[in-house]
Amino acid sequence: NAGVIQTPRHKVTGKGQEATLWCEPISGHSAVFWYRQTIVQGLEFLTYFRNQAPIDDSGMPKERFSAQMPNQSHSTLKIQSTQPQDSAVYLCASSLLGNQDTQYFGPGTRLLVL
Amino acid sequence: GDSVTQTEGLVTLTKGLPVMLNCTYQTTYSPFLFWYVQHLNEAPKLLLKSSTDNKRTEHQGFYATLHKSSSSFHLQKSSVQLSDSALYFCALSDPSGSWQLIFGSGTQLTVMP
Repeated sequence: NAGVIQTPRHKVTGKGQEATLWCEPISGHSAVFWYRQTIVQGLEFLTYFRNQAPIDDSGMPKERFSAQMPNQSHSTLKIQSTQPQDSAVYLCASSLLGNQDTQYFGPGTRLLVL
Repeated sequence: GDSVTQTEGLVTLTKGLPVMLNCTYQTTYSPFLFWYVQHLNEAPKLLLKSSTDNKRTEHQGFYATLHKSSSSFHLQKSSVQLSDSALYFCALSDPSGSWQLIFGSGTQLTVMP
């Protein structure tokens, strides 16, 4: 079991550029969560998919951020027109349905916006 | 809104001593409480979880008891080891909702030789 896979592990973008982050959940896990971690704000929930359907995006910034889960094996988080304040570690987590009390986190993508 | 409070930002201890990391929460529902541990440059990993009032839960020498009367879920260990040095997060989620985790600010535990 490879665990949750996130790519790239590190990404550097210039201000105004687009960034796409990828997450491959653990095989068989139908619940996928995205979180963001910064020194200042700590760990914050962004969005949640169940069986590929968006269920809760209450943590997503209203502008520039979007997330999709086109199939059961991957999810993407896209940030348009990146800003320096978007710099963070973006973490993906997955769980079995019915066991969402046990979320397995990926290693994260460290995004730096210059 | 729902929140989790961890009062200690940094705890430094000598190996072999006991530790307690504080966690209190505010919510209107009956929550699940969690402790996650994050070692440097690694992903957070689930350490403990509970939704049962007044029942002690244990894992890897760490233990915690959810007390709904005081809205607390403090993490304890009787004898810390060097390998316990890490960032510890308390979190809660709503089992009747989306299960999103709401995290506290974290406590950095450093164990000295």
